[in-house]
Amino acid sequence: DAKTTQPTSMDCAEGRAANLPCNHSTISGNEYVYWYRQIHSQGPQYIIHGLKNNETNEMASLIITEDRKSSTLILPHATLRDTAVYYCIVEDDNDYKLSFGAGTTVTVRA
Amino acid sequence: DGGITQSPKYLFRKEGQNVTLSCEQNLNHDAMYWYRQDPGQGLRLIYYSQIVNDFQKGDIAEGYSVSREKKESFPLTVTSAQKNPTAFYLCASSNPADTQYFGPGTRLTVL
Repeated sequence: DAKTTQPTSMDCAEGRAANLPCNHSTISGNEYVYWYRQIHSQGPQYIIHGLKNNETNEMASLIITEDRKSSTLILPHATLRDTAVYYCIVEDDNDYKLSFGAGTTVTVRA
Repeated sequence: DGGITQSPKYLFRKEGQNVTLSCEQNLNHDAMYWYRQDPGQGLRLIYYSQIVNDFQKGDIAEGYSVSREKKESFPLTVTSAQKNPTAFYLCASSNPADTQYFGPGTRLTVL
């Protein structure tokens, strides 16, 4: 009953943009899209979240389709330190937990 | 993980022993959470607390206990009743209906 679908893995060249897709076709109107990443043996790190509009911060950009059934996380200039597992999570403000799936393992190569 | 500390980073225990994992936050967050992560898996919620002196079971609470006597502290005890305690344990905190921020984690190994 996962709310999101992500590719298992992807590679990216250092210095290029990394585009991470996420499908959430059953998302409801009050649910946000959150992105976290987890570098090996560390706690998850919050990246960005959004409801309807595209969002940008110092780490990444989040593009949400108009029907909100999918989104893309963009790391504009990937570095080796961006190698991590990236989790796309759909939750509403009233949820008390984050439902982590298996995520996408992103490997940035020199 | 700024503002959330977990100790120790690595913990070893013998079978049949209880062990307590520490989680402290200085972010003035009302809510705190404990998650468990097994190798290659996502995180699963053990317990959460939305306010001092109150906490609720998550999806996998059996074999665990918690307390929330202070706003900044949410210790987790792994009891001998937990059948497979070896895992990576993560603590998080948030303001109500806001982003959760995670600590660095404690890796527990049962010998």
